[in-house]
This record gives sequence, structure tokens and C-alpha cells, in this order.
Amino acid sequence: GAVVSQHPSWVICKSGTSVKIECRSLDFQATTMFWYRQFPKQSLMLMATSNEGSKATYEQGVEKDKFLINHASLTLSTLTVTSAHPEDSSFYICSARTGGSNTGELFFGEGSRLTVL
Amino acid sequence: AQSVTQLDSQVPVFEEAPVELRCNYSSSVSVYLFWYVQYPNQGLQLLLKYLSGSTLVKGINGFEAEFNKSQTSFHLRKPSVHISDTAEYFCAVSEETSGSRLTFGEGTQLTVNP
Repeated sequence: GAVVSQHPSWVICKSGTSVKIECRSLDFQATTMFWYRQFPKQSLMLMATSNEGSKATYEQGVEKDKFLINHASLTLSTLTVTSAHPEDSSFYICSARTGGSNTGELFFGEGSRLTVL
Repeated sequence: AQSVTQLDSQVPVFEEAPVELRCNYSSSVSVYLFWYVQYPNQGLQLLLKYLSGSTLVKGINGFEAEFNKSQTSFHLRKPSVHISDTAEYFCAVSEETSGSRLTFGEGTQLTVNP
């Protein structure tokens, strides 16, 4: 099956700094990628939909200026958490959809755990 | 808008016992349904999906699920579980027109004990 890779898997940063998380589709081109956030023992909450070459679509309540999403190529989307604070600590997961498919099947990355001190 | 309810937050079972993880959904339009498994500190892996056709869907690792439109349910079953099935299981729904925009249930922690 298709492979989606995230980097880094773990990141610890100081409060006030910015952190970038990468999501790559390794063996297919992804016109659409999704970013989720998962708190401990909870479900995944969709943060935004990232479309290659255009602005991301953010879910209600997600600060677009805080969570910057860039989908500059068909194989890479990045999520930058700007001026991170401890409450931003979470598990961030991306997923990617192969181009032209509207069946809803997604391929998920391994996740990136962010800890803000 | 669609929603998903997983009725059990935790399901402990003994090895080789059967298991059913319950999932109900709500939507005003036709949907696609999915079950994903998540191992600790990992992403999600697709177990199975229902798009159309036969309401009984077979997936990986011996899991299967049945779509029941009248009861708006999509329960996951396995006749005999293994220790390695211990994980978090998520039911998810996508409306046919939403372009893969998934809504997840709260998750069910399956713990298989020896």
C-alpha cells in the first residue's frame, strides 16, 4: 500500500519557539493531505485540509496563524506550530489521499509527538 | 454533519475469545465507513472499509464488520483474538461528497489478556 512518512517522530521545544513537522507521500502523489491532532486517550480531530498549490482549509476553531500549513509539492505538506505553548503539546498525524480518489481511503503517517516545555 | 459514536471506551477480553467493537453513526446522506487500528505512538492503519455492495466486509488480521443501514451501525468483529490485537480501534465515517474528510469516533481500547 501507499506510504506516508512524518518527520520528526518526536520533538521537544521551548515555549515561544516554532516547530515544523513534515508529511511526505513516499510512493504516490498526494493532491490532498489532512492534518489531525490527537490528545492522550482521545480521538483524532481534523485540523485542516491541505491542497497542493492552494491555501489550506482550516476547521472551525483552529487558528490558521498559529498552525501554518504549506503544501508546496505533490509529495510534501508541512505543519508549522508557531510560538508554541505547552497547550500545543499533542500528537499530530497527517494523512494523504491519492489523486482522483474520492472513496475516502487515506494513508496515515506515523505521527509526530510535540512536547512544549 | 456526520457523527460517530463508539459505545465502549474499553473492551478487555481473553485471548482466543470473540470480540465485537460497536460503532454507530449519524448522517443525513450516504456515507463510507471505516475501521482503523492504532498501536501506541503510531499512526493509523486501515482495517477495513465499506463503500458499497455487500454489507459484510472482511479486512486484515481476521477482522470483519457489518454495515446495518437501518440501525446505522458498523460493528467490528473478530471470532478469536490474539495478544497482538491489543490496540486502539477507531471507527470513522466520510460522507460521499466530502472528499475523504473523515470524522472519527472516540476510540475503543481493546486489551487482550492471556
